[in-house]
Amino acid sequence: KAGVTQTPRYLIKTRGQQVTLSCSPISGHRSVSWYQQTPGQGLQFLFEYFSETQRNKGNFPGRFSGRQFSNSRSEMNVSTLELGDSALYLCASTPYGTGNYGYTFGSGTRLTVV
Amino acid sequence: QQPVQSPQAVILREGEDAVINCSSSKALYSVHWYRQKHGEAPVFLMILLKGGEQKGHDKISASFNEKKQQSSLYLTASQLSYSGTYFCGTEPTYNNNDMRFGAGTRLTVKP
Repeated sequence: KAGVTQTPRYLIKTRGQQVTLSCSPISGHRSVSWYQQTPGQGLQFLFEYFSETQRNKGNFPGRFSGRQFSNSRSEMNVSTLELGDSALYLCASTPYGTGNYGYTFGSGTRLTVV
Repeated sequence: QQPVQSPQAVILREGEDAVINCSSSKALYSVHWYRQKHGEAPVFLMILLKGGEQKGHDKISASFNEKKQQSSLYLTASQLSYSGTYFCGTEPTYNNNDMRFGAGTRLTVKP
């Protein structure tokens, strides 16, 4: 079966712009989580969605937002980009959540802010 | 709150063993282990649940000490393919859906 698909793979944006990243989970998976990965901070939790509802949110400013659609696809948006937002953004899916399941990660979107 | 992993890096020769530790200051329900190779996505290895048994497959296994809020990943008779960065992820309650990851342990296996 198809894995977790993230688009685009690479993005270059200018400070102040906004960006939207997309994630299609494994078919049948209803929980989608987003992480920011940087060399200095490691994997930082952004938010998790289940059945179009945000269940948890990490410690990121309000410029970071997300949503989930009825087909479980998810998008995250970052407004007013800053240089420090440059990172690999990973999404991960599970059937219902992380209770008894491991994440399946997508390959990520590498965002570079210049 | 993020768990703490140790060591930060390990260099091994093929066939040697390694232990990676993960500890938390909070009570834990579950510990996940992932491996990420350079330029690739993290790959799930195993999950250990509160009250569960030690797990493992092939020559990679892990334990979970609930009282100490610690988990250890054991890699025995390491192979070149084991190289990568290992992350532990922890959750304080069942289905918390707010997994926090350690900073990672970079494992290099040399011939």
